[in-house]
Amino acid sequence: AQTVTQSQPEMSVQEAETVTLSCTYDTSESDYYLFWYKQPPSRQMILVIRQEAYKQQNATENRFSVNFQKAAKSFSLKISDSQLGDAAMYFCAYRRALMDSNYQLIWGAGTKLIIKP
Amino acid sequence: NAGVMQNPRHLVRRRGQEARLRCSPMKGHSHVYWYRQLPEEGLKFMVYLQKENIIDESGMPKERFSAEFPKEGPSILRIQQVVRGDSAAYFCASSPPNSNEQFFGPGTRLTVL
Repeated sequence: AQTVTQSQPEMSVQEAETVTLSCTYDTSESDYYLFWYKQPPSRQMILVIRQEAYKQQNATENRFSVNFQKAAKSFSLKISDSQLGDAAMYFCAYRRALMDSNYQLIWGAGTKLIIKP
Repeated sequence: NAGVMQNPRHLVRRRGQEARLRCSPMKGHSHVYWYRQLPEEGLKFMVYLQKENIIDESGMPKERFSAEFPKEGPSILRIQQVVRGDSAAYFCASSPPNSNEQFFGPGTRLTVL
């Protein structure tokens, strides 16, 4: 069974600085998708960035980028120029790529990101 | 195109009552997923449905919980005889066929007194 681990319950960063959130996962499959979701106090789950495992190039979305290390099964999220609005819980999630019936997302426990003004 | 709608946003029930949570997927989305989030935890998969079919309910407790996604109308997650341990946020997500992305609703926060 696949598992996702986020070892940092809480991280804090000074506004405008850069922070990296860690995520590791375990799977025996070679093709899959990885996601980072943001959950602000409103509790709405917002997709931040997505990575396809077959792509070697790391995904980027404006100030958000990932460091995808397939062999190490590591998928960290880097937030550059941190802003107060980035404060939230961040969840790493995994999904199989096989087009079968099992499309569920498997989630880490989350990292609470605090932005210091 | 409106996003995924869930109602109610907050639901309070006493032990032993029934809770009905509704989810209206985005237009054109025929796949619905329900997840549960306990306090201070990540989401846990409960059930995956397509129109009129339950595809995977491996994450749903065998007793008291049921889900449906009828041909017309929203998907319903039903919890009978609620207990305090059912208190959680319940999220619905939808996706079109053959998509790797799920779009989430705002969640329903269930509190059992």
